[in-house]
Amino acid sequence: DIVMTQSPLSLPVTPGEPASISCRSSQSLLHSNGHKYLDWFMQRPGQSPQLLIYLGSHRASGVADRFSGSGSGTDFTLKISRVEAEDVGVYYCMHSLQLPHTFGQGTRLEI
Amino acid sequence: QVQLQESGPGLVKPSQTLSLTCTVSGGSISGGSYYWSWIRQPAGKALEWIGRINTSGTTDYSPSLQGRVSISVDTSKNQFSLKLNSVTAADTAVYYCARWVFDIWYFDLWGRGTLVTVSS
Repeated sequence: DIVMTQSPLSLPVTPGEPASISCRSSQSLLHSNGHKYLDWFMQRPGQSPQLLIYLGSHRASGVADRFSGSGSGTDFTLKISRVEAEDVGVYYCMHSLQLPHTFGQGTRLEI
Repeated sequence: QVQLQESGPGLVKPSQTLSLTCTVSGGSISGGSYYWSWIRQPAGKALEWIGRINTSGTTDYSPSLQGRVSISVDTSKNQFSLKLNSVTAADTAVYYCARWVFDIWYFDLWGRGTLVTVSS
């Protein structure tokens, strides 16, 4: 299985300031078709995960443009340009290159 | 608007079978190119992909659960189901059903999740 490692595991932030979360995979998620098979989810307290970014850098429908994703084959980053109070929660990366899909440990964003 | 809702017993005894159903409402389970999936999350831990099924009945399972897990679909009821045999305390988790969009390659819908506790 591909191992997904996130850092930091906890991220204190100040509203209005930027935030960045890293995700590293144990093997390249760059397919020969050019797609990077890495997604980002946000899970608010008591809720189910919500897709933010798919295929490395594509923002999901309805997601605020302050969220952006980038990365190479094994190193990926989720950036929030200006954190808002509603962004509090746990953020997970997940690969979809092959089965089984595996998730990172999660990064808790705290204000 | 399509929604997913998990249902099933919240308490299962060790060595018994965990059974959950996900009901799809607001749309047909047979429409579109989807894989209907199960994912779980032990308290305070990361998400774990369990397996998936399409409406043709093709299934894929996590190797770590292979042999204990079974997923089925009932298109007449707009439902798909999870069975996990020989459960232990390690199977205690919130279980989510989710929809995988095959054409675009992502999870676009999740149920609210249901807590299943394995305890005698």
